[in-house]
Amino acid sequence: IAGITQAPTSQILAAGRRMTLRCTQDMRHNAMYWYRQDLGLGLRLIHYSNTAGTTGKGEVPDGYSVSRANTDDFPLTLASAVPSQTSVYFCASSDRGGNLYGYTFGSGTRLTVV
Amino acid sequence: GQQLNQSPQSMFIQEGEDVSMNCTSSSIFNTWLWYKQDPGEGPVLLIALYKAGELTSNGRLTAQFGITRKDSFLNISASIPSDVGIYFCAGMNYGGSQGNLIFGKGTKLSVKP
Repeated sequence: IAGITQAPTSQILAAGRRMTLRCTQDMRHNAMYWYRQDLGLGLRLIHYSNTAGTTGKGEVPDGYSVSRANTDDFPLTLASAVPSQTSVYFCASSDRGGNLYGYTFGSGTRLTVV
Repeated sequence: GQQLNQSPQSMFIQEGEDVSMNCTSSSIFNTWLWYKQDPGEGPVLLIALYKAGELTSNGRLTAQFGITRKDSFLNISASIPSDVGIYFCAGMNYGGSQGNLIFGKGTKLSVKP
């Protein structure tokens, strides 16, 4: 089934630890995005990538890094997790060439930093 | 940066009632999108609007792109229990370095059977 796969689905992480959230899409979409969702704050963009090999900062990039080595994968890394990074993280993708249909989202990763 | 004001924040309605929610922005958008998020899932696209004044329906859902390009509304007619979830509006402009969606903070809908 075409779509976006995120892993893990949930994780409890000790503060100070490094963590990589995985995201893979099989739709050959050009662009990919990472959002975090927090109660009362909606969806906030962390980082994005318009094409493989390029990345950019979103609204809340601090404490996160991304890479886009190929079209399909867009991992998000927390170098040293802090409790304020407790959130639900969503990966999304879009076909910027025909960017008329918005984004396709994964099912999310629920991360708790303790 | 651009921000969207989405209202209401939450709604508690009786099954069968109609629902209306809206989004406003201080700046214009080329595209308005409406998403629904079920509990434990990612947002799913419901309706996309591409022209000012456009009115589009998808089953019991109807959405409009405001004439000023600064607002949009979503109506749900004859609500049913599976309409429960969080509804997000999103605005987008093409071009530039990002072309990213700007999301509203969501409207949480609860439906009493």
